[in-house]
This record gives sequence, C-alpha cells and structure tokens, in this order.
Amino acid sequence: LAKTTQPISMDSYEGQEVNITCSHNNIATNDYITWYQQFPSQGPRFIIQGYKTKVTNEVASLFIPADRKSSTLSLPRVSLSDTAVYYCLVGDKGSARQLTFGSGTQLTVLP
Amino acid sequence: NAGVTQTPKFRVLKTGQSMTLLCAQDMNHEYMYWYRQDPGMGLRLIHYSVGEGTTAKGEVPDGYNVSRLKKQNFLLGLESAAPSQTSVYFCASSPPGGDYGYTFGSGTRLTVV
Repeated sequence: LAKTTQPISMDSYEGQEVNITCSHNNIATNDYITWYQQFPSQGPRFIIQGYKTKVTNEVASLFIPADRKSSTLSLPRVSLSDTAVYYCLVGDKGSARQLTFGSGTQLTVLP
Repeated sequence: NAGVTQTPKFRVLKTGQSMTLLCAQDMNHEYMYWYRQDPGMGLRLIHYSVGEGTTAKGEVPDGYNVSRLKKQNFLLGLESAAPSQTSVYFCASSPPGGDYGYTFGSGTRLTVV
C-alpha cells in the first residue's frame, strides 16, 4: 500500500485559496488518489479523486504532476465551514483495497 | 436514500460485555468496511467484506468479529469488550469500481468502562 505524507496542520483566512500537498512516492500504476474531508463527530466525506493531471469538481481541484509522486488539493475561497481534517489516500479504486488513513491535515480557517 | 446507517450512535459497555454494531447501506454496494478512529488519529481498518458471505481482516482485527449475511448489512461484534476498544467506529461502503470513493456512516461512539 502506498504510504502518504501530508502536513499535520494548516491555517488560512476566509476567502483565500488553500493548497494541501500530499506525498506518495511509492504510488503504483493502478493507484488513484482520493481526498476526503472529515468534520468533528462525522464520518469522512469524499471530495475528489484523480489519476493524473488535473481534476476539478464543484468543491475542489486536484493537481497531479506527471510522475504522480505527489498531489495537491486546492480549495478555492475557503470559508469557516471548510475547517476540517483532510485526508489523502492512494489505492486501486477497482479493488476492495484496504485504504489506510493517515493522520490527515487539520485545516483551520480563520475569520 | 439514507446512504450508510449505523446503529447505535452511542453505547457504554462494561468490561467483558458483548455487543453488536449494525451497519446498513441502501446503495447496493458490494464492498463494506469497518474502521475505528481514536482521538487525534486517522481511521484504522478492522475488517472488510467484498460481498455477501465473505469477510476479511484489516489492520486491527483482534477482539472483533464480523458477518455479512445480507448484502446490505455488515455487523461488527465485540465478544468481550475491553477499555482499549473505546473508540468511534465508522462503517463505509463502496461499489466495485470505486468511483466517488467510500460512503461513510455517521459513526458509533463506544465507551468501555
């Protein structure tokens, strides 16, 4: 299983763009990169998933360089309600992979 | 469409007691998972299932058993609860293709005293 490394915490201000980078040096050919968001006392929620280059949805963008050894989750114009823990996971989406959640990145959005 | 429903939401057990946590999903997902989350930590996989009647061990299976008698249900059992099993338990499900990731339940907060 590919191990991921991401910052423990980040602070930002309302209205700013936030970029959270995740390192996954031993990512396998079939692995996808998936990001989850978790609020206190709730289960994680799927944000975005990608394989290479750039993926964008209504919530976030995911940037993946050609070597795929890292990825960056970009949250545009964050608000206080974006304060949460963000997890980066790597695995083969087509199998019942045992996803390993690291400690994640605690994002705190300040007024 | 309820998604993933976990019952109960809260429970206090005495050491040595047993209990079963129920997870139900209405999305016809093949794969189901049980995770535990301890304070300040990420989620750790306990057991998972790739289909009705099949289960497999995850990262931290000791002290737990599971069953998947029906596709929509995944039960997690604690035969003899220990204080070390105090945690928040999350159930999740996903389709085989894995698009849109896992859908998680809202969790069961278990305290063993």
